[in-house]
Amino acid sequence: AQTVTQSQPEMSVQEAETVTLSCTYDTSESDYYLFWYKQPPSRQMILVIRQEAYKQQNATENRFSVNFQKAAKSFSLKISDSQLGDAAMYFCAYRRRTSGSRLTFGEGTQLTVNP
Amino acid sequence: NAGVTQTPKFQVLKTGQSMTLQCAQDMNHEYMSWYRQDPGMGLRLIHYSVGAGITDQGEVPNGYNVSRSTTEDFPLRLLSAAPSQTSVYFCASSYAGNSYEQYFGPGTRLTVT
Repeated sequence: AQTVTQSQPEMSVQEAETVTLSCTYDTSESDYYLFWYKQPPSRQMILVIRQEAYKQQNATENRFSVNFQKAAKSFSLKISDSQLGDAAMYFCAYRRRTSGSRLTFGEGTQLTVNP
Repeated sequence: NAGVTQTPKFQVLKTGQSMTLQCAQDMNHEYMSWYRQDPGMGLRLIHYSVGAGITDQGEVPNGYNVSRSTTEDFPLRLLSAAPSQTSVYFCASSYAGNSYEQYFGPGTRLTVT
């Protein structure tokens, strides 16, 4: 079974600084997707970024980028120029390409942004 | 489009009571899923469906039933609520044409006393 681990229950960052959230996963598959989701206090789950395992290039979405290390099974999220609105719970998630819509989530990292 | 809707937003039940959490989507997505979110455990898959009439168990199915009679609706039934089912429940939908990107509902916070 696949597992996803987020070893940082809480992180904090100063506004305008950069922060990196860690995620590791365990799988025997070679073809899969990885995701970062943001959950603000509103509870809504928001997709931040997606990485396809067969793509070597790291995904980037504006101030959000990932460091995908397939051999090490590591998938970290970097948030640049942190803003107060980035404060949220962040979840790392995994999906096998052949598993349809089924996601496996990590435990989450609560990010605080200090003004 | 309303997207994925869930009702109710909040619910308090007594142990042993039954209830149904409603989930509907208006995007004609073939895939729908139910997750529960507990502190320190992330979201865990309860049940999922790959189309009308087809459902299957996820990681934590015990105590929950589902059915999918239409593409739009995917209700989650608690037959005899237990305090261990206190959680936040999310419904999600997706379709193959968009790499199964999940669209989540706003969640239902359930407390069982």
